[in-house]
Amino acid sequence: IVLTQSPATLSLSPGDRATLSCRTSQSISSYLAWYQQKPGQAPRLLIYDASNRATGIPARFSGSGSGTDFTLTISSLEPEDFAVYYCQQRSNWPTFGGGTKVEIK
Amino acid sequence: QLQLQESGPGLVKPSETLSLTCTVSDGSITSSSYYWAWIRQPPGKGLEWIGTIYYSGSSYYNPSLKSRVTISVDTSKNHFSLKLSSVTAADTAVYYCAKQPRISGTAYYFDYWGQGTLVTVSS
Repeated sequence: IVLTQSPATLSLSPGDRATLSCRTSQSISSYLAWYQQKPGQAPRLLIYDASNRATGIPARFSGSGSGTDFTLTISSLEPEDFAVYYCQQRSNWPTFGGGTKVEIK
Repeated sequence: QLQLQESGPGLVKPSETLSLTCTVSDGSITSSSYYWAWIRQPPGKGLEWIGTIYYSGSSYYNPSLKSRVTISVDTSKNHFSLKLSSVTAADTAVYYCAKQPRISGTAYYFDYWGQGTLVTVSS
């Protein structure tokens, strides 16, 4: 299953709303997760099963979607949110999207 | 809190076998609630799942790597290992170990990760 993330780069300012997209090549129900990765660090699980926040994840992060179209929304960007975000499906053997970099405008 | 730590050589010669170990701390590798996985990330690129193992030894692998990959578990040492044979420069990457919750026999997402270790394939 191929995951396509868009846009590749999102240039925003602190306080802005970020909307990241992940599309899958076939339906995966709600079997999708989102991860955040900062330079030199391992990815961190943010959202699982499309819309459930992982332990300790702030409420400004939310996920939605099912089937083939999924969205990660950050309601108001904090300085620490500028990072790369990956989606990952578990419907079949795990695959990841190519990532969206959220950078400071 | 459970911790994962990768270890192994940082430099491997082409055609040789890459070997890494992930040691689990503050948690038991024999828990029926977890699977254990390897994931890699070439420099500046995205993430690629390599394979997953249960403490019983049951494992499954990325089809694109399956012919070269072996993942094993050593319950006496509370660690699991990765072997990747016949490496080339394309196998140069940061290698992560990770934990996956096991729910109803299914491996879920990667909720705990090691810090990662860079392995370079070069002569």
